[in-house]
Amino acid sequence: EAGVAQSPRYKIIEKRQSVAFWCNPISGHATLYWYQQILGQGPKLLIQFQNNGVVDDSQLPKDRFSAERLKGVDSTLKIQPAKLEDSAVYLCASSTGTGLLEQYFGPGTRLTVT
Amino acid sequence: AQSVAQPEDQVNVAEGNPLTVKCTYSVSGNPYLFWYVQYPNRGLQFLLKYITGDNLVKGSYGFEAEFNKSQTSFHLKKPSALVSDSALYFCAVRAKTGANNLFFGTGTRLTVIP
Repeated sequence: EAGVAQSPRYKIIEKRQSVAFWCNPISGHATLYWYQQILGQGPKLLIQFQNNGVVDDSQLPKDRFSAERLKGVDSTLKIQPAKLEDSAVYLCASSTGTGLLEQYFGPGTRLTVT
Repeated sequence: AQSVAQPEDQVNVAEGNPLTVKCTYSVSGNPYLFWYVQYPNRGLQFLLKYITGDNLVKGSYGFEAEFNKSQTSFHLKKPSALVSDSALYFCAVRAKTGANNLFFGTGTRLTVIP
């Protein structure tokens, strides 16, 4: 079974530029999560999708971050404009549903904002 | 509010010795508790979870964790450490009611010394 795929693996941009990350969850997984992991901290949930609907985006900085999952499969997370404090690893995870199910994580995208 | 504390940033143990990685939590009501492991340049991998029932939970790779409600703890244990267990370990909690997302601790880096 293929795992969660993310691209790119690394990205370096200057502040005020925009960037987009892509995630392809495990086939058949209805729930998709985006996490931000700042160095030295645990992952923090940014947004959770159930199919193509948003379940929780309470911690997403909506003035600069946006995410979509139009067809209920792949998802993109965008930052525009980026700030220095956005430097982090962005993790995508998926699970079969929204219950007490383990989440399967992708390798992450390491973003550096200079 | 939910929170997780991992009081040790770093744990060193000799190969073959038992290991413990500590986790305490704070949540309204009864908790759901998880342990994940992160290897270098890889996403988080699920190890085990406590939902209800037996306080001793067995998981992947020989790991187990003990839920202690009175001490609000969920320590990860393994009887005999392997060098390959060296990684970053995260404890996470979710409340049984209310918010659906996981709250992660800051992580504990385990180093098993040959």
